[in-house]
Amino acid sequence: ETGVTQSPTHLIKTRGQQVTLRCSSQSGHNTVSWYQQALGQGPQFIFQYYREEENGRGNFPPRFSGLQFPNYSSELNVNALELDDSALYLCASSLIGHLNTEAFFGQGTRLTVV
Amino acid sequence: KQEVTQIPAALSVPEGENLVLNCSFTDSAIYNLQWFRQDPGKGLTSLLLIQSSQREQTSGRLNASLDKSSGRSTLYIAASQPGDSATYLCAVTDQGGSEKLVFGKGTKLTVNP
Repeated sequence: ETGVTQSPTHLIKTRGQQVTLRCSSQSGHNTVSWYQQALGQGPQFIFQYYREEENGRGNFPPRFSGLQFPNYSSELNVNALELDDSALYLCASSLIGHLNTEAFFGQGTRLTVV
Repeated sequence: KQEVTQIPAALSVPEGENLVLNCSFTDSAIYNLQWFRQDPGKGLTSLLLIQSSQREQTSGRLNASLDKSSGRSTLYIAASQPGDSATYLCAVTDQGGSEKLVFGKGTKLTVNP
């Protein structure tokens, strides 16, 4: 158990809809990162939030957005869903500014867009 | 741009065998390297973290090494068991600002009883 929880675990949406995924970070961690993992691929960095501000973004369009709350939990929002958005979405929490910046992952949310 | 490569993509071994998984990265400006395990459809479990100043880390039957100058890491699994069957992912923490993880595509390991 990593202490990082994601909800929901599975989700089916229709193309064009919007979705919100949630993540509760590990106690004591100040940073949340989101990753998209397509089938058979390694996870790809979407963005990171540190102290409620976006702290880096990968090669994803603006319809992928996020929030981090004062308790360090986070949301990933995706607008105008496309079929290629079908993937496992992973949330990772870590402690930036600490030497041992080990990242701990949640169990993921499997999103299927039909 | 940091790129991480894992070889082989898949590996099948008999139970009890010792094995090595390989990971290479193109930019040596990293904070650390992590090895993860992923079971089908599940999240990632952190196995070992090696800081950029370290050469190796050990946990039980697992030993990971890091040669930052050559951009290589290996994960050694001793006395493999069927329960070790999973995909093993290597990731480096990039120094480029956000300390994001850059992953390889993984090595799918099958240990046959």
